[in-house]
Amino acid sequence: NAGVTQTPKFQVLKTGQSMTLQCAQDMNHEYMSWYRQDPGMGLRLIHYSVGAGITDQGEVPNGYNVSRSTTEDFPLRLLSAAPSQTSVYFCASSDSFRSEQYFGPGTRLTVT
Amino acid sequence: TQLLEQSPQFLSIQEGENLTVYCNSSSVFSSLQWYRQEPGEGPVLLVTVVTGGEVKKLKRLTFQFGDARKDSSLHITAAQPGDTGLYLCAGAGGGSYIPTFGRGTSLIVHP
Repeated sequence: NAGVTQTPKFQVLKTGQSMTLQCAQDMNHEYMSWYRQDPGMGLRLIHYSVGAGITDQGEVPNGYNVSRSTTEDFPLRLLSAAPSQTSVYFCASSDSFRSEQYFGPGTRLTVT
Repeated sequence: TQLLEQSPQFLSIQEGENLTVYCNSSSVFSSLQWYRQEPGEGPVLLVTVVTGGEVKKLKRLTFQFGDARKDSSLHITAAQPGDTGLYLCAGAGGGSYIPTFGRGTSLIVHP
C-alpha cells in the first residue's frame, strides 16, 4: 500500500494564480482532511470529507475549495492564490476521526 | 473550536535527560492522540488515549490522560537524539467529533 500520496511536493505560485493540490489514499478510508501547517500554529483544518460526495468546512476554509467524487481522491483547489496561503499543506485519511489519521508527506507552497 | 494548549513550545536538552510535555484544554475530550512529526514529513501517530486516568507506555515514552479527560502529558525517559521532532496532541470533544491539534512542542535532543 502506498498510503496517502500528495503531489506536488513543492510549488511556487504568483499571486492570483490557481492550482490544485492532489491527494490520494489506497486504504479505503471514508474520512479525509486537508490541513495547513504554519510555524508555531500547529495543524489547522481547512476542509474535510466523511465520504464520497460529502465535504464540509474546517477552521480556515476561506480561499480553498474541495470536492470528493471518489473514496480515493480529495483534491484541494486554490482559486486565486494569495501570499497568506504560503504554507505546508497536509492531506490525511482515517476510517473515523477517533482513529489514527494517516498523513501524506505534505506540499510546500510558496505564493509570491 | 476547542483550544488545546501545549507546553512548552520549545525544548532543547542533552541526551539522557528526562522531559515532560503537556496538553491542556478547558473542554472534555472523548479521545486524545499524540503524534510525532519529523522535518519534511507528515505527523505519525504515537498513541490514542480514551479513558480518564489512562496510562500508556511506548518504550521510553509514557502517556497519561487526566482523570477529567481535559489534559494529557507525554513523558520521555532518557531522551535520545532520535526523539528529536515536533510533538503534537490532538483531541476531539466539546460536542464535536472533529479533532483539533495543539500548536506542538518542538524537541531537540543533543548528543
